Amino acid sequence: AQSVTQPDIHITVSEGASLELRCNYSYGATPYLFWYVQSPGQGLQLLLKYFSGDTLVQGIKGFEAEFKRSQSSFNLRKPSVHWSDAAEYFCAVGDDKIIFGKGTRLHILP
Amino acid sequence: DTGVSQDPRHKITKRGQNVTFRCDPISEHNRLYWYRQTLGQGPEFLTYFQNEAQLEKSRLLSDRFSAERPKGSFSTLEIQRTEQGDSAMYLCASSPRSGISYNEQFFGPGTRLTVL
Repeated sequence: AQSVTQPDIHITVSEGASLELRCNYSYGATPYLFWYVQSPGQGLQLLLKYFSGDTLVQGIKGFEAEFKRSQSSFNLRKPSVHWSDAAEYFCAVGDDKIIFGKGTRLHILP
Repeated sequence: DTGVSQDPRHKITKRGQNVTFRCDPISEHNRLYWYRQTLGQGPEFLTYFQNEAQLEKSRLLSDRFSAERPKGSFSTLEIQRTEQGDSAMYLCASSPRSGISYNEQFFGPGTRLTVL
């Protein structure tokens, strides 16, 4: 079955610290992988996507993600977080029908 | 490019009433998607259209739900005889099938439905 697991429901980091959000997926074919961010009252915004090619993908707002086929993972990273990064982050997999994880809520300490 | 728009943004209704939501995709995007998001969960796929053709429907879409995209532009999602369990955020997205944004889904702000 196709699924996405985000094992961390909440993560708290200090402003300026590095961040890694975990994502594991189960998908029959070569996956199309995405990370979306959702701020309160805002729609889902695409941070980055992986379709093929270089397994380290760069996105907006200084985020990057690495696709590791052997581990079925697509973890999101940022070297230094800002208070404005506080939001809910969703990992997703799919083509026409996208399957989302349950999300990780990121809290930033000043 | 004005983005995906949804109307209304909020809807409060009583159980048993019918509601209809509208989604206007980004122009020239030929695919349009509906998702439902409940509190604390990620969005769940409901259905999608390529132009005016509805290509897939989720099992989540009971007989009380119907979606249309009559001219391949805007879409409507209707829920008949609403139930309290229908309370959720209904999200619409659109995507192009060519170009640099191929297969990216662009989401609207959503319609929040509350069934009393």
